[in-house]
Amino acid sequence: QVQLVESGGGVVQPGGSLRLSCAPSRFTFSDYGIHFHWVRQAPGKGLEWVAFVRYDGADIHYADSVKGRFTFSRDNSKNTLYLQMNSLRAEDTAVYYCAKDDRGSLDYWGQGTLVTVSS
Amino acid sequence: DIVMTQSPLSLPVTIGQPASISCRSSQSLVYSDGNFYLNWFHQRPGQSPRRLIYKVSNRDSGVPDRISGSGSGTDFTLKISRVEAEDVGVYYCMQGSHWPWTFGQGTKVEIK
Repeated sequence: QVQLVESGGGVVQPGGSLRLSCAPSRFTFSDYGIHFHWVRQAPGKGLEWVAFVRYDGADIHYADSVKGRFTFSRDNSKNTLYLQMNSLRAEDTAVYYCAKDDRGSLDYWGQGTLVTVSS
Repeated sequence: DIVMTQSPLSLPVTIGQPASISCRSSQSLVYSDGNFYLNWFHQRPGQSPRRLIYKVSNRDSGVPDRISGSGSGTDFTLKISRVEAEDVGVYYCMQGSHWPWTFGQGTKVEIK
């Protein structure tokens, strides 16, 4: 059973930065050519797809709402994914989920990590 | 971007009765390989979303066969043949055919 564990959430001021991590457990993702996504959910709101990274990091996509501010990367040697979030805004406040790609779908999700942007 | 529109947004249901959720996309979800990458997720309060259906009509392991998905092109439906108490929560459709991927607004299912 695939498990994804996010970390790095917290409270940050508007304009600040934060880096989220996602570490799959029970498998080494670089061995399987697996792609990943970030999805977020603002308090009491629906789901919003945020970003995608291919298994080798060579193909990355972002939602327009975060393009130019967020960077999705992966370190296969550490079996860890990263979401570097800069120039944070109040509307970035959300639970951020890491999810495994399954060819046009998301089959496994982490438990999420809460990011709060507030002064 | 493709806009996914769900209806209804709120669905009070009676246990044992059927329920249906519609999901419409602003353009066709056919991918270059001929597949439609339309998914359905279920989220209970305080939990992460769980995938129920992928590629329009394929059920995930452990999803009861009273839950089914159908559709093509721009029009898709999730049906529950007989609602049970465990079905409460919010249901989301999501397209993975075109970048950026997009979700519907969500349909909240509650027991009458």
